[in-house]
Amino acid sequence: EAGVVQSPRYKIIEKKQPVAFWCNPISGHNTLYWYLQNLGQGPELLIRYENEEAVDDSQLPKDRFSAERLKGVDSTLKIQPAELGDSAVYLCASSLGSSDGEQYFGPGTRLTVT
Amino acid sequence: RKEVEQDPGPFNVPEGATVAFNCTYSNSASQSFFWYRQDCRKEPKLLMSVYSSGNEDGRFTAQLNRASQYISLLIRDSKLSDSATYLCVVNMRGRDDKIIFGKGTRLHILP
Repeated sequence: EAGVVQSPRYKIIEKKQPVAFWCNPISGHNTLYWYLQNLGQGPELLIRYENEEAVDDSQLPKDRFSAERLKGVDSTLKIQPAELGDSAVYLCASSLGSSDGEQYFGPGTRLTVT
Repeated sequence: RKEVEQDPGPFNVPEGATVAFNCTYSNSASQSFFWYRQDCRKEPKLLMSVYSSGNEDGRFTAQLNRASQYISLLIRDSKLSDSATYLCVVNMRGRDDKIIFGKGTRLHILP
C-alpha cells in the first residue's frame, strides 16, 4: 500500500515569491494534517482537515498561508509571499480517525527561502 | 509550563545498555499518548501507543503515569539502530481537540 505522498521534496525560492506544496494521503484516510518542523523541534500543526473541512486552522498564519483539500482527498498548502523565516520542513500526515494520534507522515518538503 | 516537555538530550548510551526517558504533559484532560521515532532528515514514524496499563513491544516499554502527568519510554538491550530522536505525542480530546508533539529526545547509541 502506498504511503503519504508529498511533492516537491525540496524547494528553494527567493523571499516574497509564492510556493505550493502538494500532499496525497493514504487511501481511505479521512483526516489530513499539515505540519511545520524546524530543526531540533517537534512538528507543529498548521491545519487539520476532516474530509474537505478544515476543522483546526488556529495555528495557520492566514495572512500568508492558505490550504485547500478539494474533494476530501489530496491537499495543497500555499505560502504567498514567502519570508526567510518560513524555511523549514513541511510535513503532511494522514490518519483513519479524527484527531488521531496514530498518524502516517509523508517524507516532507524541505523549503529554503533565500 | 509547556504543554508537552521532553529532555532534548542527547542521551549517549553504550550499545546493550538500557535507557529511559520521560515526557511530561500539562493538561490533565489529555487522553491518549504515543511515542514516535524520527531518524535524521526523515519523517516521524509511530513507534507505539501508550496505554493506561502500559505497553510492551519487544525491547520497548511505554508507561503512563496519570497522577504525575508523564509518560515514559524504556529501551532495553539498545542497538546501534535505535539511534534516533524520540517524539512524545499527547492527544487532548474535548471541545478543542489538540495533538501536541514534544520537541523530541535525541538518542545516540555508541558502539
